[in-house]
Amino acid sequence: DAKTTQPNSMESNEEEPVHLPCNHSTISGTDYIHWYRQLPSQGPEYVIHGLTSNVNNRMASLAIAEDRKSSTLILHRATLRDAAVYYCIPTGVQGAQKLVFGQGTRLTINP
Amino acid sequence: GAGVSQSPRYKVTKRGQDVTLRCDPISSHATLYWYQQALGQGPEFLTYFNYEAQPDKSGLPSDRFSAERPEGSISTLTIQRTEQRDSAMYRCASSFPGVKETQYFGPGTRLLVL
Repeated sequence: DAKTTQPNSMESNEEEPVHLPCNHSTISGTDYIHWYRQLPSQGPEYVIHGLTSNVNNRMASLAIAEDRKSSTLILHRATLRDAAVYYCIPTGVQGAQKLVFGQGTRLTINP
Repeated sequence: GAGVSQSPRYKVTKRGQDVTLRCDPISSHATLYWYQQALGQGPEFLTYFNYEAQPDKSGLPSDRFSAERPEGSISTLTIQRTEQRDSAMYRCASSFPGVKETQYFGPGTRLLVL
């Protein structure tokens, strides 16, 4: 399993952009980069994933470095509801893939 | 169903007792996972099923832990002779088979062993 490094915590203000970094220097060439988040007292939920190109969805954007050794999850306008622990998780391509959660980044949003 | 459901939501038991936790996945999802989450930590993989087959149970911490999915839908996780260190949140997730599977998590069962 590829090892990931994320800051333990980050803080931002409501309605400001947030950039959450992740280093995954040992990622395999075929691994996808998934991001999940876990809101307080809830189960993890999928946020976004990508392989090489930057990706956008309604929740966030994912910027992947050209060498794929790092990625950044971007929340364009953070809300209080975005306060959660964010995990970046490299996963294989095919079939069932156990998710290996690291420590993640605890994001605090100030009103 | 609309989402993954788990029961019971809370379970308090005495050391040495057996407990069984239940997971009802999203109906179209062939793959089902069990994770254990200690307080303040991320979930840790226990085992998974592809329909009723159980290809990987490498994360089960001891032979006191077992899981079943006999008809390929509902799954149970049984912990025999519970110990205080088994106290944790147990989370179930399911996914639709295919490339880049997204896992959908249930609300979890919080187990407290006294």
